[in-house]
Amino acid sequence: GAVVSQHPSRVICKSGTSVKIECRSLDFQATTMFWYRQFPKQSLMLMATSNEGSKATYEQGVEKDKFLINHASLTLSTLTVTSAHPEDSSFYICSARGVGDNPNTEAFFGQGTRLTVV
Amino acid sequence: AQKITQTQPGMFVQEKEAVTLDCTYDTSDQSYGLFWYKQPSSGEMIFLIYQGSYDEQNATEGRYSLNFQKARKSANLVISASQLGDSAMYFCAMREGRGSGANNLFFGTGTRLTVIP
Repeated sequence: GAVVSQHPSRVICKSGTSVKIECRSLDFQATTMFWYRQFPKQSLMLMATSNEGSKATYEQGVEKDKFLINHASLTLSTLTVTSAHPEDSSFYICSARGVGDNPNTEAFFGQGTRLTVV
Repeated sequence: AQKITQTQPGMFVQEKEAVTLDCTYDTSDQSYGLFWYKQPSSGEMIFLIYQGSYDEQNATEGRYSLNFQKARKSANLVISASQLGDSAMYFCAMREGRGSGANNLFFGTGTRLTVIP
């Protein structure tokens, strides 16, 4: 299947700093990328949907000024956690869908990023 | 209302036996897709199997099969001949058909499967 690469896989940062997470589609053009957050022993919760060249659509309760999403090209979306705090510690995972994908086809996931804010 | 419900937080199965993981869904769309993913402790989401709402046959992929009962809105995953490496979290997910717009996945709460030697 198609490959989505997410980097870094693990990051520890100090409270108050910003962290950037990259999500790349390696062998296909991703018109839409999704960012999910997963707390320990819980399910994936959609944070936002990003479409190449346009502003991201955030889910209710997700602060767009805190979680900045940029989808500058058809192969790259970034999530920046600004002024991170310990409560932002979580597992973040992206998924991507390709150009012309049938709505009922697989979404490909990155490997996820485990963020720890100390 | 929850779009995806997984009622089994944890399941145990003996190695080489079959196990069924339950999933029910709720949607008013006629077009939708149902997915199962496996998440090992490393965190990656591994796609296992997909069933489209218009598919008449139950989906199968190797040792995985999906028992699709549309009238009951259930999409149970059956794993045959369980292996130790099958121990992981399993998530059922749904994507509703909304035409050309973005279609995110809705996930259930997951079932942790443990395979016993």
